[in-house]
This record gives sequence, C-alpha cells and structure tokens, in this order.
Amino acid sequence: DGGITQSPKYLFRKEGQNVTLSCEQNLNHDAMYWYRQDPGQGLRLIYYSQIVNDFQKGDIAEGYSVSREKKESFPLTVTSAQKNPTAFYLCASSEEGGPSYEQYFGPGTRLTVT
Amino acid sequence: GQNIDQPTEMTATEGAIVQINCTYQTSGFNGLFWYQQHAGEAPTFLSYNVLDGLEEKGRFSSFLSRSKGYSYLLLKELQMKDSASYLCAVIDSNYQLIWGAGTKLIIKP
Repeated sequence: DGGITQSPKYLFRKEGQNVTLSCEQNLNHDAMYWYRQDPGQGLRLIYYSQIVNDFQKGDIAEGYSVSREKKESFPLTVTSAQKNPTAFYLCASSEEGGPSYEQYFGPGTRLTVT
Repeated sequence: GQNIDQPTEMTATEGAIVQINCTYQTSGFNGLFWYQQHAGEAPTFLSYNVLDGLEEKGRFSSFLSRSKGYSYLLLKELQMKDSASYLCAVIDSNYQLIWGAGTKLIIKP
C-alpha cells in the first residue's frame, strides 16, 4: 500500500531541545511539504521541496530546518529557536512541484513542548 | 492581503443537506480544493475546481464562481461519519496554496 508515514504520532519534549519529526512516502512523489496546524487556524506552510537536495522556505520557516537527501524522506527539525513549537505537524506530498496537484497527507505528529 | 473565509462551525441533522461556503480574496486564482479532516487526523482530498460550475461526486458536490470569489461544498444525505472539519484552499497567482481555517461540521441524530 502506498502512502505517507509520520512518526511518532505523539511527541513530548522539554523546552530547549531540538526534535526531529520523520516523514516517509512511497508514492514516488517529487514534491513534499511540511505544515503546521494550530487550533482555529488554517494550515501554514513551513518548508517544501520540489526535488531531491532542494527545498524552499514557506511562510513560517523560522525555527525549523529540513533536509531532502532522498526522494522518499523529508524530515523536519524543530529547533530550540522556535518560540511556540507545540502544534500538530502534517507532512504531505504531491506528484509534481506545483500545488495544482492533489496533496496526500500523512497522519500527523502532535508535538508538545513543556 | 490574502484571505479565505469559512464559517467556523455548522450543525446539521443526519439525513439532511448542508452547504459550506468559502469566499476568497487572493492575488490571482489557479484552482480551489476542498479537503475533509476528522479530528486529530490528516486531511483527505474531496474535490478540485478550476472552472466555474458544479462538480458532483457521490453525496458531495463542489461549486465555484470565479467572478464572485466564491465556492461551496454541498453534502447530501448526511451521515454521522461526515462530522469533521472541511478545509477550503486556493491556489494563488504565484501557485502558492492558501488555506482557510476550516469549518467544523457537527451532525446530530
């Protein structure tokens, strides 16, 4: 079965620690995205990648970093510089680099930082 | 600025019909998506409109009027499992995807 996996589903960290969220897809999609979702707000784009070894900042990239060394994988690191890291993080992928193509989402990781 | 407006919450009765509206003000338009998201889960694709008119897909239909900056999602024969948030998203002239905050739909027996 093709799809996107994110792990873990729930993650707890102490303030000041970096944490890496994983995202893997076996859909052979070129483009991958990271979103943050907060209660009562729309999805906000953190980073996206249209091709291996290339990625672009989204609207709220500060305090986050990514890598795209393999087509299948697009991990997101939430650094200690992110002021409000507690949120629901969603990874998505699409066939092409443009948003005209349907995005497939992973199950999400709920990060709580105390 | 770019803006997408959806009602925050709606309530409907099982078996009935509900229409969820989405109005947008964006720099250009290259298409509109509707996604369904159950609480704590990932959004799943419902529809994509790029031309004016109605697209029907089973119990769900989506309508677009580009001149009015308006879309709606119509859900018929509502079932309890339709209780979810419905997200409207617009592709702007820079091919960026702008997301609305979503409409939480509550279905009552």
